[in-house]
Amino acid sequence: QQQVKQSPQSLIVQKGGISIINCAYENTAFDYFPWYQQFPGKGPALLIAIRPDVSEKKEGRFTISFNKSAKQFSLHIMDSQPGDSATYFCAASMSAGNQFYFGTGTSLTVIP
Amino acid sequence: KAGVTQTPRYLIKTRGQQVTLSCSPISGHRSVSWYQQTPGQGLQFLFEYFSETQRNKGNFPGRFSGRQFSNSRSEMNVSTLELGDSALYLCASSLAASREKLFFGSGTQLSVL
Repeated sequence: QQQVKQSPQSLIVQKGGISIINCAYENTAFDYFPWYQQFPGKGPALLIAIRPDVSEKKEGRFTISFNKSAKQFSLHIMDSQPGDSATYFCAASMSAGNQFYFGTGTSLTVIP
Repeated sequence: KAGVTQTPRYLIKTRGQQVTLSCSPISGHRSVSWYQQTPGQGLQFLFEYFSETQRNKGNFPGRFSGRQFSNSRSEMNVSTLELGDSALYLCASSLAASREKLFFGSGTQLSVL
């Protein structure tokens, strides 16, 4: 049972466009929501994260939007660049323990 | 500062064999977690160790086990390998006081034939 559902599975965006990846969860005990970026042959690396007490967090071209009532959160990549081409994973965790529940990933391709 | 190091990088085994994977965390990190990554399933949590004690365990059969040594290095063992165990096994370390940021290694790609 996938505790965090992620969509779309793959995404193709033109350079300069906006990439949007969505995630949904059911467990209201989750209180930390990170996004990880993974390049081929590498492990995932933390990109940006949010807690449910804020509705949006922005770091450079990357923004997380969080909707607590809908139990959804999304990653927006503004001005997408070919170097952003990677697989993106959303995740969630709760305060008890260090276990993260990951989405199934979105393969992003930014075409020049 | 060196990152998380996993060895070996690639491994080919046959069904029924057992395998041991190794992970050296970032210096000073005392928590080590293991994840299994497969296409379409994303990352699935296996277990987490802190100060040589298993703190959390995911929903995997008992064939999957691990341990952590006093220097925080960790090993993961899979016995009686099955074809479905073919996956990328990722190790991640984090500071004990901060559960938020996981630092992943590049993983061990295990193929079971």
